[in-house]
Amino acid sequence: KQEVTQIPAALSVPEGENLVLNCSFTDSAIYNLQWFRQDPGKGLTSLLLIQSSQREQTSGRLNASLDKSSGRSTLYIAASQPGDSATYLCAVRRKGGGFKTIFGAGTRLFVKA
Amino acid sequence: EAQVTQNPRYLITVTGKKLTVTCSQNMNHEYMSWYRQDPGLGLRQIYYSMNVEVTDKGDVPEGYKVSRKEKRNFPLILESPSPNQTSLYFCASTVGQRYSPLHFGNGTRLTVT
Repeated sequence: KQEVTQIPAALSVPEGENLVLNCSFTDSAIYNLQWFRQDPGKGLTSLLLIQSSQREQTSGRLNASLDKSSGRSTLYIAASQPGDSATYLCAVRRKGGGFKTIFGAGTRLFVKA
Repeated sequence: EAQVTQNPRYLITVTGKKLTVTCSQNMNHEYMSWYRQDPGLGLRQIYYSMNVEVTDKGDVPEGYKVSRKEKRNFPLILESPSPNQTSLYFCASTVGQRYSPLHFGNGTRLTVT
């Protein structure tokens, strides 16, 4: 059974710091991995999608990597800003029948001004 | 504007009173899915649909029904809501299983008393 874990559960950093959020999954049979941002009480905003055959994707200050063989992904945020404060979720799209997406519980990030 | 629209945003109801949460997407997406989000548990998949008239259970389908009579709409039906169905619900869609990101609606906060 696919399980997705995100560490740490919460993180507080000063503005300007570079940071890494971690996501691990137990089954490498995935189509892709997607990172989302969620603001309190709001919906999920897609940040980056990495295909299973890719190693990384970049968008602005964000860089996501994927190591499928070890079941790990990282989201790197450069030069963090208070506006980056949110919960970050990763999700894997499972292979093997159906349309199954498994989410991690998220990392709550607080960037202090 | 491409979007997934859920209604209502907030709903308070009583135990046993049937309700429907609507979800509509204007992107001609094949795949649609419902999730519930609970503190400490993350997002869990309730039901999904891979095309018109094709639906299947996710990880937590008990107490819910869905239908997919047209491509754009995927309503979530609670025939007899109970307090343990109090949660934040999200609808999502994507054009393809393998290579395309999930797009989320803004969520429906349901309270069952």
